[in-house]
Amino acid sequence: DQQVKQNSPSLSVQEGRISILNCDYTNSMFDYFLWYKKYPAEGPTFLISISSIKDKNEDGRFTVFLNKSAKHLSLHIVPSQPGDSAVYFCAASAEGSDMRFGAGTRLTVKP
Amino acid sequence: KAGVTQTPRYLIKTRGQQVTLSCSPISGHRSVSWYQQTPGQGLQFLFEYFSETQRNKGNFPGRFSGRQFSNSRSEMNVSTLELGDSALYLCASSLGPTRDNQPQHFGDGTRLSIL
Repeated sequence: DQQVKQNSPSLSVQEGRISILNCDYTNSMFDYFLWYKKYPAEGPTFLISISSIKDKNEDGRFTVFLNKSAKHLSLHIVPSQPGDSAVYFCAASAEGSDMRFGAGTRLTVKP
Repeated sequence: KAGVTQTPRYLIKTRGQQVTLSCSPISGHRSVSWYQQTPGQGLQFLFEYFSETQRNKGNFPGRFSGRQFSNSRSEMNVSTLELGDSALYLCASSLGPTRDNQPQHFGDGTRLSIL
């Protein structure tokens, strides 16, 4: 029962270009969404979140977009930097339930 | 401010044994959640504790159990280990329970290998 899906296991972009990571969910009760970044041998690090009452949240080079009707969210990184190379997880939660994570997308930013 | 601390970092066990993993949350955080990560899988939720009470439990067998102490530190126990239990076990803490829509902060995990 995978309620949060990241259909692209990997993504490669050139330094300075935009990285777009996608995430789809099936549970319409989800009302809080997050993105985490994970480097090898480290735990995931919180990146950015968005509440279902919004459709966009921006923090520096990172912007998360939420399309509730499509049950889709995306993370945009502009401009991409080599240090952004990591595995990115999207997560979603609903009140009273646990947090569900996608399988992750490995982003590689080439210099 | 110290982050989430998990001990040990690495552990090797054999089938049938039992193991206890420890997690110390960020100071002031009262919610602790445990996750299992295996290759190709996302983080699979195990359970969440808040104020020493288990609030949510994932779809794992009863061999997986946990508890939280009054200082918010948490332990996870796995009994009768199986080869499929080999994974990275991550602990995350937050100020309040996940229903409060707060980000969780993760430790670096315990890598458990079953031989």
